[in-house]
Amino acid sequence: GESVGLHLPTLSVQEGDNSIINCAYSNSASDYFIWYKQESGKGPQFIIDIRSNMDKRQGQRVTVLLNKTVKHLSLQIAATQPGDSAVYFCAENTGNQFYFGTGTSLTVIP
Amino acid sequence: DAGVTQSPTHLIKTRGQHVTLRCSPISGHKSVSWYQQVLGQGPQFIFQYYEKEERGRGNFPDRFSARQFPNYSSELNVNALLLGDSALYLCASSFSPIGTARETQYFGPGTRLLVL
Repeated sequence: GESVGLHLPTLSVQEGDNSIINCAYSNSASDYFIWYKQESGKGPQFIIDIRSNMDKRQGQRVTVLLNKTVKHLSLQIAATQPGDSAVYFCAENTGNQFYFGTGTSLTVIP
Repeated sequence: DAGVTQSPTHLIKTRGQHVTLRCSPISGHKSVSWYQQVLGQGPQFIFQYYEKEERGRGNFPDRFSARQFPNYSSELNVNALLLGDSALYLCASSFSPIGTARETQYFGPGTRLLVL
């Protein structure tokens, strides 16, 4: 099976600081990636995506970086807010499936 | 616009029983995927359906089955429930099948199943 993993299971940041969540993927054939945010008791919420022909994509307060050489993704959240506290998953698309990592729990300290 | 909806929200069953979970995709979306999320882990792919046909299956036993209806809604069935089937079952929808055009999928709130 595929392996999508996260470097840090938990991350705590001060409100207003920037957050960086990392993800490693194993299949060099994966060509599409999505970051999801999951709050307690809810389904995963789409944050941002990136295709393999790109290195960087920016959204509102979020940036995703893709390094295909080392098969690494990162999600950067600017000016982290208490509402950003959640578990973040990266998902890679290989064939007809998405493979998810274990998730990183982000806690924002007021 | 309504997002992906799932029913029921919570369910308690006993070992050996059967369960049916339901999902309605986002309006206009024709593909539905089912995932199992065990506590503390990421979602794991079970099935993908598109235009009423199975388009992919994850590493799950034959006790798990699904179908898609003409209105693109879907059911996930699990027979002979085991304690280990306790999980959050997520449905995700997309316009086209996953894998055809780097298709984004959107998730519903899930059904939390507890097997006693």
